[in-house]
Amino acid sequence: AQSVTQLDSQVPVFEEAPVELRCNYSSSVSVYLFWYVQYPNQGLQLLLKYLSGSTLVKGINGFEAEFNKSQTSFHLRKPSVHISDTAEYFCAVIKAAGNKLTFGGGTRVLVKP
Amino acid sequence: SAVISQKPSRDICQRGTSLTIQCQVDSQVTMMFWYRQQPGQSLTLIATANQGSEATYESGFVIDKFPISRPNLTFSTLTVSNMSPEDSSIYLCSVDGVAGGFTDTQYFGPGTRLTVL
Repeated sequence: AQSVTQLDSQVPVFEEAPVELRCNYSSSVSVYLFWYVQYPNQGLQLLLKYLSGSTLVKGINGFEAEFNKSQTSFHLRKPSVHISDTAEYFCAVIKAAGNKLTFGGGTRVLVKP
Repeated sequence: SAVISQKPSRDICQRGTSLTIQCQVDSQVTMMFWYRQQPGQSLTLIATANQGSEATYESGFVIDKFPISRPNLTFSTLTVSNMSPEDSSIYLCSVDGVAGGFTDTQYFGPGTRLTVL
């Protein structure tokens, strides 16, 4: 079975500052990794995903993430956040060729002016 | 990706009643999934719904409480039966396998916010 740990439940950050959201996973098999964002009172939107290939993945809204197999991590970064980035961010994994997503506990990002 | 809609978007229900949530996709998809997000929590998979077969439930979820239908490749329903306040959650559907292909990526609907009094 897979598991996902998001190391920070809340991350306050000032506007235009960088942010990093940490995600570690555990799995005995190859996995695919995802970051989703949930804006207040909305569903989940896919930010980016890693299936294979380059370990640096670029997503929407200026976000990027780096897959590190040796450290079993998939941290999400943005060099300069906007107020509109205030949301909850979920890291998720799925077994390669599987279909069951396992989510981390979520990280709430609050961008302050 | 696919455009996914859910009805209702929110509802307030009395305990002991049932609510059926609909999930509609704008294209045929192979896999549909139902998740629960309890207040302040992450998402938990309830079941996987495939067209033409019984839904597959995850540990802790049973068909009597959460019956699911999947009559065709673009539609599914989840019923929350005999509700109690503990069922107050956001219920989300997701899809994979647009047009029969497997993308290994799930896309989510906007969710149904349920409050049980």
